Parts: sequence; structure tokens; C-alpha cells
Amino acid sequence: GAVVSQHPSRVICKSGTSVKIECRSLDFQATTMFWYRQFPKQSLMLMATSNEGSKATYEQGVEKDKFLINHASLTLSTLTVTSAHPEDSSFYICSARDPGQNNSPLHFGNGTRLTVT
Amino acid sequence: GDSVTQMEGPVTLSEEAFLTINCTYTATGYPSLFWYVQYPGEGLQLLLKATKADDKGSNKGFEATYRKETTSFHLEKGSVQVSDSAVYFCALAEGSGNTPLVFGKGTRLSVIA
Repeated sequence: GAVVSQHPSRVICKSGTSVKIECRSLDFQATTMFWYRQFPKQSLMLMATSNEGSKATYEQGVEKDKFLINHASLTLSTLTVTSAHPEDSSFYICSARDPGQNNSPLHFGNGTRLTVT
Repeated sequence: GDSVTQMEGPVTLSEEAFLTINCTYTATGYPSLFWYVQYPGEGLQLLLKATKADDKGSNKGFEATYRKETTSFHLEKGSVQVSDSAVYFCALAEGSGNTPLVFGKGTRLSVIA
């Protein structure tokens, strides 16, 4: 079945540095990928929609200069957290839908636990 | 806008107990409905789905029926196991194109032996 791979699974970085998270669709091409953020004991909040070959669409309240999204190919989207601060510590999850399947659900990566010290 | 409301957890059950997690939704259109499960430290896995009224999604002993009249999609399982301990998310998606999911807040289930 469709698989979405996310890397790294965990990352610890120092305040002020940048972190890149990769999301790959392994056996299908995804023109659109979605990036979610999950706070402890809370639901998943949609951050942005990543569009292959064009600019990402950000949800209200999400800083696009802080969370840079690049969807350079049909199988790869990256989220870069720039100048990270402790409040950026969270669980980030990407997802994509296989366009080749009717009514395909969203497939999720295993998430990236970011800790900013 | 669209929204999903789930019963608040945590829910603690003994093994072999009956499980119900309530989920209701509001949507402008005719959404597809999903239940996802998140095991500790992992991402989300699709548990089951339903795309139209009266559809029943089922998987691994879990079931949920799309009830348009009550705008509900309650998750049930007749006999839970310790391995079912996880967080369960109800979600909806409008249309069939590339639309994101709208999630409920999640319900943490703990099953004790």
C-alpha cells in the first residue's frame, strides 16, 4: 500500500539553528502534501499545504518565513524550521494522498519529534 | 468551517470490555469520514473510513457507521485488547480532491489487563 516516509524521526537542536524535515511518498507521486503539527495531548493542526512546483499555502497564524516548505519533486516535500526556539518543540507530521486510488485516505509519515534546547 | 468533536478522554477499560468513542461533525458539504489511530511515539495510521451515508467502515474488530441524520461516526469495538491502547482521532475530508483532513482532538484509550 501507499507509504509516506518521514525523516528524521527525532531531532534535538540548539536554539537559533535550523532543522530540515523530509517527507517522501515512496510508491506514488504526490502533487500535494500536508504538514501538520501536534502539540502534547492535542489534536493535529494543519500548518500548510505543500504544492509541487509552486508556493505552499499556509494556514492562518503559521509564519511562512519561520516554516519554509519546499516541494521540489513529486515525491519529496521538506519543512525547514528556521531559527528554531524552544516553543517550536513539537511533533511534526506530513501526509499525502495517492491520486491513483479512488477516495484515497491521507497516508501519514511517522512524524518527527523536534526538541529545541 | 468544518469541525469534528470527539468525546474527551482518557478512556480506561479492562481487557475484553466494550468500547465506544463518540464522534460528531459539522460540514458544509458531504464529507468522507475517517478514524485514525496513533500508537505511542508513532505517526497516524488509518483505521477505517466511510465515504457516504450508512456506510460502515470496519477493521481489526473496530466499526463505525456514517450517520448523516445525526452527523455522527462513533467508533466501536466489542472486546478491546491491551494492544488497542492508543490515541484515536476522528477526521473528515470534504470532496475527493486534494483536501486536508480536519481532525478531532483525539481520545486516548488505555486498556488494562
